[in-house]
Amino acid sequence: NAGVMQNPRHLVRRRGQEARLRCSPMKGHSHVYWYRQLPEEGLKFMVYLQKENIIDESGMPKERFSAEFPKEGPSILRIQQVVRGDSAAYFCASSPDISYNSPLHFGNGTRLTVT
Amino acid sequence: GEDVEQSLFLSVREGDSSVINCTYTDSSSTYLYWYKQEPGAGLQLLTYIFSNMDMKQDQRLTVLLNKKDKHLSLRIADTQTGDSAIYFCAEILGGSYIPTFGRGTSLIVHP
Repeated sequence: NAGVMQNPRHLVRRRGQEARLRCSPMKGHSHVYWYRQLPEEGLKFMVYLQKENIIDESGMPKERFSAEFPKEGPSILRIQQVVRGDSAAYFCASSPDISYNSPLHFGNGTRLTVT
Repeated sequence: GEDVEQSLFLSVREGDSSVINCTYTDSSSTYLYWYKQEPGAGLQLLTYIFSNMDMKQDQRLTVLLNKKDKHLSLRIADTQTGDSAIYFCAEILGGSYIPTFGRGTSLIVHP
């Protein structure tokens, strides 16, 4: 049973370009979470999605960032017009349901570098 | 404070015990978690404890919970070089299902 798959592992973008980060949850998991890890900081929650629905986006910056989890295919985190401050590791996690005893399973992350 | 707090670094000698401490924010948090992150990898769940427990033991890992002080600790017995990693404490705030993480403690194990 494959774990949470994220790609690409590393992504380099110039300022102003778009970054698209993909996440395939574990088989049987319909809940996806995106976190951002800035250098020297912990993980900050960004958004929580179920299939075709955004449930909680309280951690998403108001501009340039968007996320989706379509009926078919991976979840996508999209960053438009990237700036240097967007450089970070972006982690996706999934769970089979939302309950206290369904811990999150994390992917290995996408490390975004903005030059 | 408003954040889950952890000390940033801990250095121990191989074979000694490691104790990683965490102070969480919400006395109504129901589950508290410890995750491990190895270099270049994602977070791996190590263990978790339900808030009605004081202690949980799992092989070399012991979790202690002090609800009065909102303090959580992870003890690793007989620490090995393979235990070198960043350890994150996480809580689920009352009314939410989404874990809030601390900044992580870098555990360095030297021979």
